[in-house]
Amino acid sequence: DIQMTQSPSSLSASVGDRVTITCRSSQNINSYLNWYQEKPGRAPRSLIYAASHLQSGVPSRFSGSGAGTDFTLTIVSLEPEDFAVYYCQQSYNTPWTFGQGTKVEIQ
Amino acid sequence: DVQLVQSGAEVKKPGESLKISCQGFGYKFATYWIGWVRQMPGRGLEWMGIISPADSDSRYRPPLQGQVTFSADKSTNTTYLQWRSLRASDTAIYYCARRRHELLDVFDIWGQGTMVTVSS
Repeated sequence: DIQMTQSPSSLSASVGDRVTITCRSSQNINSYLNWYQEKPGRAPRSLIYAASHLQSGVPSRFSGSGAGTDFTLTIVSLEPEDFAVYYCQQSYNTPWTFGQGTKVEIQ
Repeated sequence: DVQLVQSGAEVKKPGESLKISCQGFGYKFATYWIGWVRQMPGRGLEWMGIISPADSDSRYRPPLQGQVTFSADKSTNTTYLQWRSLRASDTAIYYCARRRHELLDVFDIWGQGTMVTVSS
């Protein structure tokens, strides 16, 4: 299985901060990388697909970049509703695998 | 609106059987594969597998092969996740999600989740 490693596991930030989360895969996955947001008691929400494409309806403050084995999710200016857990996921090979998650908390 | 609606929470005893459902609305259901994702208590997301509602072709995460069964009913736009004999370790939230193969395989729409509790 392809291993996905996110860093950091958690971070504290303030509204308006720029936040960057990284995701590394154990092998080359080209651009088969997706990002999801999960809030307590809610289903995950797709944010970014194919490494850098914004899902319909997702605010433009979210962006994704990277290819191969190293990827980044950036929130340029954190809003109150962005405090959540973020997961990367590779869809290059089955079984698709998720990172362990990054919890973004209020500082 | 495009949505996936899952069946309600379940409380079962070890050894019992269970079938939970995921019904699609607002799109041509048979067009897109449906995935199942598990979230055990306090843990992250785990891909269980996918099923094609068109022909019930399925792919399973290898350790789960034989432990769970995916099925589909095109006439009701519904897919199912089934256990013949539950274990305490099956306690989790189970999500279904729509796979968009043409977007490099992303789960773009998710169901609200079904909480399954297995306890004696």
